Amino acid sequence: EDQVTQSPEALRLQEGESSSLNCSYTVSGLRGLFWYRQDPGKGPEFLFTLYSAGEEKEKERLKATLTKKESFLHITAPKPEDSATYLCAVQAGETSGSRLTFGEGTQLTVNP
Amino acid sequence: NAGVTQTPKFRVLKTGQSMTLLCAQDMNHEYMYWYRQDPGMGLRLIHYSVGEGTTAKGEVPDGYNVSRLKKQNFLLGLESAAPSQTSVYFCASSYWAGNTDTQYFGPGTRLTVL
Repeated sequence: EDQVTQSPEALRLQEGESSSLNCSYTVSGLRGLFWYRQDPGKGPEFLFTLYSAGEEKEKERLKATLTKKESFLHITAPKPEDSATYLCAVQAGETSGSRLTFGEGTQLTVNP
Repeated sequence: NAGVTQTPKFRVLKTGQSMTLLCAQDMNHEYMYWYRQDPGMGLRLIHYSVGEGTTAKGEVPDGYNVSRLKKQNFLLGLESAAPSQTSVYFCASSYWAGNTDTQYFGPGTRLTVL
């Protein structure tokens, strides 16, 4: 059974204080690891897909990395507008339309 | 281009009542999904569809039915609502891009069953 564990559950940062969120996973045959951002009362917003160990992707202040067991979402010099819940999900299997298994998310608060 | 839309945004039901949630996407995506999100449980897949006229069970399908009569629409039905179905429901759609299919989510429907 695919499993995704995110840590910490909640993280408070001061504006400009860089940090990392962790997503550890166990899956048979990883096809992709996804990061989403979710604001209160809204649906998850797609950020990144990582396909294989060693891969990195960046978007503004966010950088996602992937190893064989975990992924990190690095936040550099965060701003208050980066406050949100960040969700990690894995997709496995050979067929298209395969399900995503989500972690419970990390709630990030960035104080001005 | 509205992406994924969901109707209604909020709904309150009494135990035993029925209702249908509508999801629509204008991206011509082949695959569509219904999830529920509960505190401490994360997003869990209820049912999904890999094409018009096809549906399949996800992780938590009991108490729900779905239909995909048109490619752009995916309906989630509750025949006899129970308090345990109080949740936020999200629809998503995706297309196959050669290796993975990235899912794009709607804004959600907040359902309360009394």
